[in-house]
Amino acid sequence: DAGVIQSPRHEVTEMGQEVTLRCKPISGHNSLFWYRQTMMRGLELLIYFNNNVPIDDSGMPEDRFSAKMPNASFSTLKIQPSEPRDSAVYFCASSGAGGWLEQYFGPGTRLTVT
Amino acid sequence: AQKVTQAQTEISVVEKEDVTLDCVYETRDTTYYLFWYKQPPSGELVFLIRRNSFDEQNEISGRYSWNFQKSTSSFNFTITASQVVDSAVYFCALRSGLRGGADGLTFGKGTHLIIQP
Repeated sequence: DAGVIQSPRHEVTEMGQEVTLRCKPISGHNSLFWYRQTMMRGLELLIYFNNNVPIDDSGMPEDRFSAKMPNASFSTLKIQPSEPRDSAVYFCASSGAGGWLEQYFGPGTRLTVT
Repeated sequence: AQKVTQAQTEISVVEKEDVTLDCVYETRDTTYYLFWYKQPPSGELVFLIRRNSFDEQNEISGRYSWNFQKSTSSFNFTITASQVVDSAVYFCALRSGLRGGADGLTFGKGTHLIIQP
């Protein structure tokens, strides 16, 4: 079975540009999570979806960040406009029904904003 | 609010030594779930184990073992006879049992484990 797929794996962009990160969860999983990892703040939850519906976006840092899940097999995290402090590794994870199940992570997208 | 503390920022041992990674958590939930993840130098996050709050049985998987103690709010991870391939950052994480457990994870800051040959 394919794991969680994220694209692109690396993204370098200039400040002010729009950035879109993509995620395909594991087939059959109904919960999807976006995390951000930085040296200063560690791993932090940004937003998560259950059955394609956003449940908690309290971790989204600013209005510049938005996430969507138009269907069960695809999600996007968009940053517009991007800033240097957004530079981080962004992970997508998914888990199956029964919230106690473990989350499986994608390989991450390393974002650098210059 | 939930919190996970991994007080050991970095541990360095020589291969074949045993090593224990500490994890202390805080939560007001009566039902919750604890996890350990491994992040090798390649950067991916690899699931190792899940423990439910109502199951305090310790677990052993090969050279890995986990000690869950609700009385001290700890969920420690021991590697026996460590190997160079165990070198990685290890994260302890907590998930609320509210909403059926369908919440995100609260991570500790991680412990960087270095196994020297």
